[in-house]
Amino acid sequence: DAKTTQPNSMESNEEEPVHLPCNHSTISGTDYIHWYRQLPSQGPEYVIHGLTSNVNNRMASLAIAEDRKSSTLILHRATLRDAAVYYCTANTGNQFYFGTGTSLTVIP
Amino acid sequence: EAGVAQSPRYKIIEKRQSVAFWCNPISGHATLYWYQQILGQGPKLLIQFQNNGVVDDSQLPKDRFSAERLKGVDSTLKIQPAKLEDSAVYLCASTLHGELFFGEGSRLTVL
Repeated sequence: DAKTTQPNSMESNEEEPVHLPCNHSTISGTDYIHWYRQLPSQGPEYVIHGLTSNVNNRMASLAIAEDRKSSTLILHRATLRDAAVYYCTANTGNQFYFGTGTSLTVIP
Repeated sequence: EAGVAQSPRYKIIEKRQSVAFWCNPISGHATLYWYQQILGQGPKLLIQFQNNGVVDDSQLPKDRFSAERLKGVDSTLKIQPAKLEDSAVYLCASTLHGELFFGEGSRLTVL
């Protein structure tokens, strides 16, 4: 399984964009990159995933490096409700391994 | 659409006692996972089922943990006997096409 590395914590001001990085240098060509977030006292929830191309959905955008060794989750306008732990995981054949994630603090 | 259901939400036991957690995945989801999440850490995969067969249980402490998924639907995770270090949230998740759906988890405290 591909190991992922993320910063332990990040801060953002409310209504500003947030770029959350993830390194996955051992990823294989068929591994999808998934992002999940976990609010306090809840299970993780799906945010976005992609393989090679950048992806957008209503929650966020995912920018994948050309060599696929890193990716960035972009929250276009952070809100207080976005304060959570964000996990990136490389998925092969429905197998998901999580690291320690990035704890995002949003400052009002 | 109903989400992943787990019970109980909270359980407090003494060490060496046994405990069981139940999970009902989203209808039609063939793949089911159990994760252990210790405070301050990311979820750790314990076991993955595809229908009622085990795909990966390499990180399941088999001397004390067991899990089954009869009929390929509901699943039960059992710990016997429990140790202090088993205090954690036990998360169940399921998937159909690659997006994981998690339950709210079962918080276990071992005294």
